[in-house]
Amino acid sequence: GAGVSQSPSNKVTEKGKDVELRCDPISGHTALYWYRQSLGQGLEFLIYFQGNSAPDKSGLPSDRFSAERTGGSVSTLTIQRTQQEDSAVYLCASSLRIGLGYQETQYFGPGTRLLVL
Amino acid sequence: DQQVKQNSPSLSVQEGRISILNCDYTNSMFDYFLWYKKYPAEGPTFLISISSIKDKNEDGRFTVFLNKSAKHLSLHIVPSQPGDSAVYFCAARSNTGNQFYFGTGTSLTVIP
Repeated sequence: GAGVSQSPSNKVTEKGKDVELRCDPISGHTALYWYRQSLGQGLEFLIYFQGNSAPDKSGLPSDRFSAERTGGSVSTLTIQRTQQEDSAVYLCASSLRIGLGYQETQYFGPGTRLLVL
Repeated sequence: DQQVKQNSPSLSVQEGRISILNCDYTNSMFDYFLWYKKYPAEGPTFLISISSIKDKNEDGRFTVFLNKSAKHLSLHIVPSQPGDSAVYFCAARSNTGNQFYFGTGTSLTVIP
C-alpha cells in the first residue's frame, strides 16, 4: 500500500560526516513528524511540519540537525558532522491533522537505522 | 524530563489470558492519548486512542482506560494471542501542542 516510506533503511557513516535521511509521507497528509529512538529509549520528538506553517523545531537536539519539507510532501532530515551519540533509529510519521487534532493518527515509516562509527 | 512513563519494560502473559499494560503521565494538559504497537524492524502502528472526555474506549480485544485524576492509562488485551507479542508504546499530547510524547515501551510476550 501507499504508506510512509523512508530511505535508506540502514546507514553506516564515520564520525564527522554529514548524512541525509529521506521521508516520503502518505499522499495528502498535511502533518509530518520526525522522531528518533535511541537504544532502550522511547521515541524522542525532533521536528514537526504542518502545511505551509513554520515548522516546530523545538525537539532538535543541536544546530547540527536540520530538516526541510519541499512542496509540502517529501522531507529530508540532515545531520551534519555526525557524532557517535547520533546513532539511533530515525522515524518519520505523517498524519492528516484537522483543527485541534483530535482523532489524529500518525502513520509511521519503517525508520532509518543510523550507525555512526 | 520524561512526561510519559511506562515503568514495566517487559510483560509475559499466557495465551488466552488478559494483558494489562500501564502508562503514567505528568502533564495535566495532555488530553489525547494513544497506544502503538511495534514489531522489530518496523515502525509503530496505531492501535487505539482515547480523548480526555472519555474514560474508556474499546476496539475488539483492545480496551484503553483513562484515569485523569491519577494521570494513568492502561491498555487491556483480552484474550491475548501470540501475535500480540510486540513492544507497546503509549503516547500523549495536549491540543495546544504539536508534539506527541512517547513512553519507553513495554515488551509484551504472549506465551502459547
